[in-house]
Amino acid sequence: EIVLTQSPATLSLSPGERATLSCRASQSVSSYLAWYQQKPGQAPRLLIYDASYRATGIPARFSGSGSGTDFTLTISSLEPEDFAVYYCQQRSNWPLVYTFGQGTKLEIK
Amino acid sequence: EVQLLESGGGLAQPGGSLRLSCAASGFSFSSCAMSWVRQAPGKGLEWVSAISGSDDTTYYADSVKGRFTISRDNSKNTLYLQMNSLRAEDTAVYYCAKRGTGGHFDYWGQGILVIVSS
Repeated sequence: EIVLTQSPATLSLSPGERATLSCRASQSVSSYLAWYQQKPGQAPRLLIYDASYRATGIPARFSGSGSGTDFTLTISSLEPEDFAVYYCQQRSNWPLVYTFGQGTKLEIK
Repeated sequence: EVQLLESGGGLAQPGGSLRLSCAASGFSFSSCAMSWVRQAPGKGLEWVSAISGSDDTTYYADSVKGRFTISRDNSKNTLYLQMNSLRAEDTAVYYCAKRGTGGHFDYWGQGILVIVSS
């Protein structure tokens, strides 16, 4: 089973700064790598799918990159509403399993 | 507008059962694969189960295999999760989620809390 490891566990930054979140897979994944944002008491929201495609309505300051085992979510200039927990997620086909990383908490410095 | 609305959660005793429902609207439910994802209090996300949109093939995480059953009623646009032999570690918020064109979940319900306790 593929394990996704996110780093750092917590990232402390100020509004306007650039955020770089990492997701590393224990073995090469297909292009099925997604990123989600979750705020307290809310459901996760899809940000990025297939490693680099922004979901509908997601601002351009969010971008995803990577392939193979190393993926990155970048927020170019943090807005106050961006402080939340971020999860990466992948899908394996054989057997079909969806796996999430443990999350990165992005907090206000 | 896509909407997913879970119901059926609550308190269950260890060894007991609950059935969750997820009412879907705003998209062609019968052609979409669906999943249940859960989140224990203060913890991360865990995929629980999936069902295909085409032939109702089902898939389960090892943690729930043999205890949970996912199903769907396309005539009612509703997804179900029958949870039997519940354990304390099944306590979580359960989300239903619509699978996108790839391996991601593009829409989520608001979640429903399940507490397993005596």
